[in-house]
Formats: sequence, structure tokens, C-alpha cells
Amino acid sequence: QLQLQESGPGLVKPSETLSLICTVSGGSISSSSYYWGWIRQPPGKGLEWIGSISYSGNTYYNPSLSSRVTMSVDTSKNQFSLKVPSVTAADTAIYYCARLRGGAAGSDYWGQGALVTVSS
Amino acid sequence: DIQLTQSPSFLSASVGDRVTITCRASQGIASYLAWYQQKPGKAPKLLIYSASTLQSGVPSRFRGSGSGAEFTLTISSLQPDDFATYYCQLLNSHPRITFGPGTKVDIK
Repeated sequence: QLQLQESGPGLVKPSETLSLICTVSGGSISSSSYYWGWIRQPPGKGLEWIGSISYSGNTYYNPSLSSRVTMSVDTSKNQFSLKVPSVTAADTAIYYCARLRGGAAGSDYWGQGALVTVSS
Repeated sequence: DIQLTQSPSFLSASVGDRVTITCRASQGIASYLAWYQQKPGKAPKLLIYSASTLQSGVPSRFRGSGSGAEFTLTISSLQPDDFATYYCQLLNSHPRITFGPGTKVDIK
């Protein structure tokens, strides 16, 4: 059974960098059949796609965030990561990692989510 | 960019009711649509993909239909476990994805 687990600081100060890692277990991240994504959800609000990355490092970012976001992958550790510099209170959210199947097949596996609060 | 809208944004229903949620795209997207259920404090759960294909393990009371620009998620007989928020997801530019604003289904 594939599992995804987000990890990282739950509290980040304004203007600092938010860093999260998603660890994939029960399967390999190194498959050309999937992309791996980050999605966030501000408290009480809807879902916002942040970006997607392939096992080979091809990245796609939400245009509204692309200037601020960096994703990377480490196949040796079966992990992918997210960095958001210069955070503000608007970046406070639950951050989910997920597996994206190809085409119209959707995201079938999700992490449990990591709440990141931006506050001094 | 293609936009997704959902209607209604909120609905109140009773156990046993038939519930229909609509997702509209600002232009045609063939069948590149998925539906998710999210309960408070939990990650979204994939229900339907390719507009009408039931994800493995999802009860058959969930049905997706539509193509082009208008899609529906129907719950044939609402169960207590179905009270949640439902999101549609645009997939025509995979791996770029977009979510609809959500529909909250509450107990009447």
C-alpha cells in the first residue's frame, strides 16, 4: 500500500522559507507513469494546486506561485520537496503531497497533510 | 485559463436523499475531470476520474456523468458518511491541475 507523509516545521516566521518534504513508502517514486504534487488548503478554504514534479525532475508550477516556489526530487530517498521563500501569513495552510496519475485519472494517494503556520 | 465553477456551493440534505452537484468548465474539457470528497481534518479522497469512472473501493451510490463543459456528481442515496465537501478537479493540462471551489453537503 503506497503511503505519502509530509514533514517539516509547523511554524515559520514571516519572510523566512517554508520547506516541506514528502516521503513516499510502499512503492517507488521513480515511475514515468506518475507525477508528484503539492496542494495546499488555507484554513476554512478550498484546495490550491502548487506544483507537480516528475521523478526525473520536470516541474510545473501554478502561475500564481511560480515565481516563489521550488520543487525538487530525491529518488535515492524516495522523496520530493517544496520550498517557498519569503512567506507571509497568506501562506498559512495545510500542505498536502499527492500522487498524480496520468491523463484524466486524478490523484489517488495523498499524504495526511501538514499544517504550516506563518507567524512571528 | 479554464475556470471551474461548482453549484451549489452549499446544500442541506437528509439521509436517503438523492444529491446532485454540478461542475462547469469555462470551455470544453472532454472528460478530463475528477471528483473528490473531503471530510474535516482529512485529505481529499478520489471518488470519480475521467468524469465517470468510479475509483476502486468507492461505493456505487456515487456516479459521475457529463463531458465537454458540464459535469455532475450524483449520490443516489445519501448516507451519514457522505456529509463532506466535494471538489471537482480539472485535468486537461496534466500535470497542471485546478480544483473547483467546492460544495459542502450538510445535514438537514
